[in-house]
Amino acid sequence: KNQVEQSPQSLIILEGKNCTLQCNYTVSPFSNLRWYKQDTGRGPVSLTIMTFSENTKSNGRYTATLDADTKQSSLHITASQLSDSASYICVVSLTGTASKLTFGTGTRLQVTL
Amino acid sequence: NAGVMQNPRHLVRRRGQEARLRCSPMKGHSHVYWYRQLPEEGLKFMVYLQKENIIDESGMPKERFSAEFPKEGPSILRIQQVVRGDSAAYFCASSPLDDVGTDTQYFGPGTRLTVL
Repeated sequence: KNQVEQSPQSLIILEGKNCTLQCNYTVSPFSNLRWYKQDTGRGPVSLTIMTFSENTKSNGRYTATLDADTKQSSLHITASQLSDSASYICVVSLTGTASKLTFGTGTRLQVTL
Repeated sequence: NAGVMQNPRHLVRRRGQEARLRCSPMKGHSHVYWYRQLPEEGLKFMVYLQKENIIDESGMPKERFSAEFPKEGPSILRIQQVVRGDSAAYFCASSPLDDVGTDTQYFGPGTRLTVL
């Protein structure tokens, strides 16, 4: 079982609509949680980073939330655009092993007209 | 400031050959990380290097794989005697500091290795 589980696996939405992606993790002890966007054929690009003491972090139309008690995070995308079509990856960093990140398998988002 | 550069972007090798993947970190970054992404799977940590030092290679197979980050030049991930199971996308990331707290890793575009 993956230590970082994401849902849904894939999602199709219409341009302009909002969506929320989920991430559950069992990684412990936890240091920080990151959301990355990965376009097809490209490397991941960081969207947000949150430590265990942070509940929410925004980056433009992207808003990430974190509940360290339930070990859940979400990424909310507002007013989606065609360019938002990509994989969104939840990544958790262990305390004391800062050089190693545990990646989820991602949610593939497709925004259509 | 150019981003993390990796080359080649695509590499095809026959079984038994050597694959050499190069990564040039962002200017001013002295920490390099290598990850492997198999089809339909998440990225997996392989190795973490600083200039001339391997800090953590716990994610790298003990045989056939090696990595270096010399004082001058790019970081190199070398895979000897490649097998079909080595086919994957290999990503390099760099950071300016040891990745503690909230320091961000910046990823390169990846090298897609295909072993025939």
